[in-house]
Amino acid sequence: DTGVSQDPRHKITKRGQNVTFRCDPISEHNRLYWYRQTLGQGPEFLTYFQNEAQLEKSRLLSDRFSAERPKGSFSTLEIQRTEQGDSAMYLCASSLGSLGGPGTEAFFGQGTRLTVV
Amino acid sequence: AQSVSQHNHHVILSEAASLELGCNYSYGGTVNLFWYVQYPGQHLQLLLKYFSGDPLVKGIKGFEAEFIKSKFSFNLRKPSVQWSDTAEYFCAVTPNTGGFKTIFGAGTRLFVKA
Repeated sequence: DTGVSQDPRHKITKRGQNVTFRCDPISEHNRLYWYRQTLGQGPEFLTYFQNEAQLEKSRLLSDRFSAERPKGSFSTLEIQRTEQGDSAMYLCASSLGSLGGPGTEAFFGQGTRLTVV
Repeated sequence: AQSVSQHNHHVILSEAASLELGCNYSYGGTVNLFWYVQYPGQHLQLLLKYFSGDPLVKGIKGFEAEFIKSKFSFNLRKPSVQWSDTAEYFCAVTPNTGGFKTIFGAGTRLFVKA
């Protein structure tokens, strides 16, 4: 499968625990995005990478959230000290684009559904 | 702040009925526009996109959308829906001035009765 792949698909964790999600983008895509989606809402932008550089972070991304893309390929999103309000679907997407350019459309993964109990 | 507004949260249609889903955005500059679809249990998929040129764009499965710049709108249409079109539809906008993030509307859930 050459699409965007996310792991795990589902995660249930206790409040206060740390969780880490992984995203493998389409191999030739240099842009990678993380979004969060809650019930009844569209995806909300969290952060964006151009290759390995994290170029933009949303105000939604508190200091408990950190994302990395160490070699410009896969990315991880870590949430520390999870709270019930973190329960959501976390979506990863990738696209092609030069720095500062508009880029192609984003291709989305299946998402990781996080439930904090 | 940039935003995308979808007019209807839920739409119920019978098969063969015509569909129009409204989308308006707030951004004064040049934009790229998208409609994504999410079928039950599946990931978001691109339905169609507008970058430039003919403001009437055709997508997959008989869908089309018209960009009206003066109205900041990008409405989605299909002349005759099928039961298999039951899904959630998201309008999305990316500012075309070095902005990176795509902003999504809240989505419209379409249910097509067989």
